[in-house]
Amino acid sequence: DAGITQSPRHKVTETGTPVTLRCHQTENHRYMYWYRQDPGHGLRLIHYSYGVKDTDKGEVSDGYSVSRSKTEDFLLTLESATSSQTSVYFCAISETQGARNSPLHFGNGTRLTVT
Amino acid sequence: GDSVTQMEGPVTLSEEAFLTINCTYTATGYPSLFWYVQYPGEGLQLLLKATKADDKGSNKGFEATYRKETTSFHLEKGSVQVSDSAVYFCALSDQAGTALTFGKGTTLSVSS
Repeated sequence: DAGITQSPRHKVTETGTPVTLRCHQTENHRYMYWYRQDPGHGLRLIHYSYGVKDTDKGEVSDGYSVSRSKTEDFLLTLESATSSQTSVYFCAISETQGARNSPLHFGNGTRLTVT
Repeated sequence: GDSVTQMEGPVTLSEEAFLTINCTYTATGYPSLFWYVQYPGEGLQLLLKATKADDKGSNKGFEATYRKETTSFHLEKGSVQVSDSAVYFCALSDQAGTALTFGKGTTLSVSS
């Protein structure tokens, strides 16, 4: 298995609080991604990174920010959590050529509940 | 924008039955196409892929052929097993290749 660790694995938080999810990789892969998985929607891209301090938005980026200060770590922050952000969040990584030519390897997910 | 449409699930089959999960896509240019599988409580794993028209991806008895004329990439397996029970996602990567666009997923349940 690709060395991807997501933390925490589960979190319950209250509306309006900030939340940070962490993705840590030991593969030295250039590309890192944050997806959310919701019933009836499949996986939707939130943000991705193509290098240290290089990030871009995905299709559902509103309400989320990311940071990548080291190759191995990609953080997803919900500045002020809302109930609509209750979801399972997956981190993924891929090698130098991105998603087209190298497979995405996924972490085991973080289940976030916003009450 | 790019999109992927999968057949609605759940799909319920008996062991050794034939499986087809339909997938069609909308994209400009020449996308690469993928099938990913998700077992309960886990992240997604790549099952197979095809990078150009008429390519056939195969793995673990599963197959899918990239049909550009019908914009399809249907997943098939001749004889399913209980261990194949999972959620299957069709996905595409556009020519820029920075990320994947996923379908909504199809749940497969195989009983013995």
